[in-house]
Amino acid sequence: DSGVTQTPKHLITATGQRVTLRCSPRSGDLSVYWYQQSLDQGLQFLIQYYNGEERAKGNILERFSAQQFPDLHSELNLSSLELGDSALYFCASSAGGLAGVSYEQYFGPGTRLTVT
Amino acid sequence: AQSVAQPEDQVNVAEGNPLTVKCTYSVSGNPYLFWYVQYPNRGLQFLLKYITGDNLVKGSYGFEAEFNKSQTSFHLKKPSALVSDSALYFCAVRGVDTGRRALTFGSGTRLQVQP
Repeated sequence: DSGVTQTPKHLITATGQRVTLRCSPRSGDLSVYWYQQSLDQGLQFLIQYYNGEERAKGNILERFSAQQFPDLHSELNLSSLELGDSALYFCASSAGGLAGVSYEQYFGPGTRLTVT
Repeated sequence: AQSVAQPEDQVNVAEGNPLTVKCTYSVSGNPYLFWYVQYPNRGLQFLLKYITGDNLVKGSYGFEAEFNKSQTSFHLKKPSALVSDSALYFCAVRGVDTGRRALTFGSGTRLQVQP
């Protein structure tokens, strides 16, 4: 158990809909990363938050957005969903700030999104 | 831009034999390198990392990796494979600078250990 939790585990929705994926990082970790894993694209970085602020963006679509709240949990919002958005979405966290630099990231179990 | 290549989609090895999963990387500056393992319907588990220091890095479950700067490689190894090692293995690299610390992953290598 990595200490990173994600809800829900599975999500089935229709095209055009909007969903929210939730992530709670390991206790004390300030950085949260979102990744998408799909068969055709592999594992891709979407976005990073550090202590509530956006730190870096990867291959994130404009239809997707994220935020990190004061309690450090994060949400990934996916809207106007398309069939191609079906994938496994992972959240990862790493330490930083006063806790020092942590090079490795710890991954949650993922949310499997199926768009029909 | 940084990148990782895992040239083998699948590696087959007999239980008890040594295993190697290959990884080469491209990054500006000093590399921070990682290996993760993914079991079916599970998240990625951290195995080991190379940041600096000894070229041979030891990690979880008896795995180790050898960093070779001249060949820009970071191959994962284990002296004696177990059937339970069968899984999907990912090599990853990250940058040093703030804003470049996300992981860039290879395409993954499926390890199949036969009893």
